Amino acid sequence: DAKTTQPPSMDCAEGRAANLPCNHSTISGNEYVYWYRQIHSQGPQYIIHGLKNNETNEMASLIITEDRKSSTLILPHATLRDTAVYYCIVRVALPGANNLFFGTGTRLTVIP
Amino acid sequence: NAGVTQTPKFRVLKTGQSMTLLCAQDMNHEYMYWYRQDPGMGLRLIHYSVGEGTTAKGEVPDGYNVSRLKKQNFLLGLESAAPSQTSVYFCASSEWGIGELFFGEGSRLTVL
Repeated sequence: DAKTTQPPSMDCAEGRAANLPCNHSTISGNEYVYWYRQIHSQGPQYIIHGLKNNETNEMASLIITEDRKSSTLILPHATLRDTAVYYCIVRVALPGANNLFFGTGTRLTVIP
Repeated sequence: NAGVTQTPKFRVLKTGQSMTLLCAQDMNHEYMYWYRQDPGMGLRLIHYSVGEGTTAKGEVPDGYNVSRLKKQNFLLGLESAAPSQTSVYFCASSEWGIGELFFGEGSRLTVL
């Protein structure tokens, strides 16, 4: 599975959009992009995933570039509860283990 | 609906002692996983299971054993605990190989 590169930390003002970038320049055509977040020391929480089209759900939007070498997770109106470590992961869509390589992620701090 | 439940949540062991971590899920998921997370690092996969009666090694399997005798339970065993196994352990499950992972709240293990 391809590895990802994320900035170690970011700040965002409460109520503003938080845009978290992820570089996955070695991604293969059959690899999905997943985003998870981990609040404090809780178990990671799934946010969203996509293959090549932009995706949106009740939590966030995922924008994947046309060449699929990078993506951005957008939290449209960040709240203090969105302070967490955000993990961008790519993996092959094949049956078998969901071996997600989490890396160290981006620590997002939402500032009042 | 409890989701994924891990027991115990905290444990302190002496070097050489053995113990078992229990993970239980009530979502009828086929896939289950054990991860460990060390300070400042992402999650690393220890072992996983793609169905009842099956187990397989992940990224860091040494020093651990697992069993999946019942579909809803996934046990992680340490036969002879070492200080290097001090970590937070997370169990997860998913309905299928590329689906969303649901995580437990973690088990904090300290080996003295």
